[in-house]
Amino acid sequence: GENVEQHPSTLSVQEGDSAVIKCTYSDSASNYFPWYKQELGKGPQLIIDIRSNVGEKKDQRIAVTLNKTAKHFSLHITETQPEDSAVYFCAASVGGGADGLTFGKGTHLIIQP
Amino acid sequence: NAGVMQNPRHLVRRRGQEARLRCSPVKGHSHVYWYRQLPEEGLKFMVYLQKENIIDESGMPKERFSAEFPKEGPSILRIQQVVRGDSAAYFCASSADRAEQYFGPGTRLTVT
Repeated sequence: GENVEQHPSTLSVQEGDSAVIKCTYSDSASNYFPWYKQELGKGPQLIIDIRSNVGEKKDQRIAVTLNKTAKHFSLHITETQPEDSAVYFCAASVGGGADGLTFGKGTHLIIQP
Repeated sequence: NAGVMQNPRHLVRRRGQEARLRCSPVKGHSHVYWYRQLPEEGLKFMVYLQKENIIDESGMPKERFSAEFPKEGPSILRIQQVVRGDSAAYFCASSADRAEQYFGPGTRLTVT
């Protein structure tokens, strides 16, 4: 089955700097890659996703890149703000999202004021 | 425009009791997924259901766990004879056909 590795487990950046979180996946059939943000005591919130027919997608301060050859994808957050502090999860799916997602173990992002 | 609703938000059960977790999907969504999250870990897929059908239960333990999504009413995840190892946060997600999954706030189950 699919296996998703996520790094780093903890990331501390100064407010205003950029943050990058990286994930690799094992199943070359995976074709959908969402990113979720989870705040303490809450459910995961979808922040951006990318499908395998594109290499990059951007939404304001957030961007995701996908390298299908290397089987890795990354989340980029620019101009970080205190409210960006949370745990971020990457995930992969072979069914375009219409199946169970396989999640990474998460990255605790800390924005230092 | 309500999102995914889960109840109860917190559930305490003694070992050997039954736990019933409910999930109401986003209005118009016909796909429901259940995930389990252990402390300091990612989410693990358990089961995927469409109305009245289990599509994929490959992540659900074979014993004591069952799920349903009836024609009317919420999806139910049922855990019989709970053990301490069942203590976790259980999340439900819903989606429209082949679309993004949106998560509910979760049910935090504690087994004493």
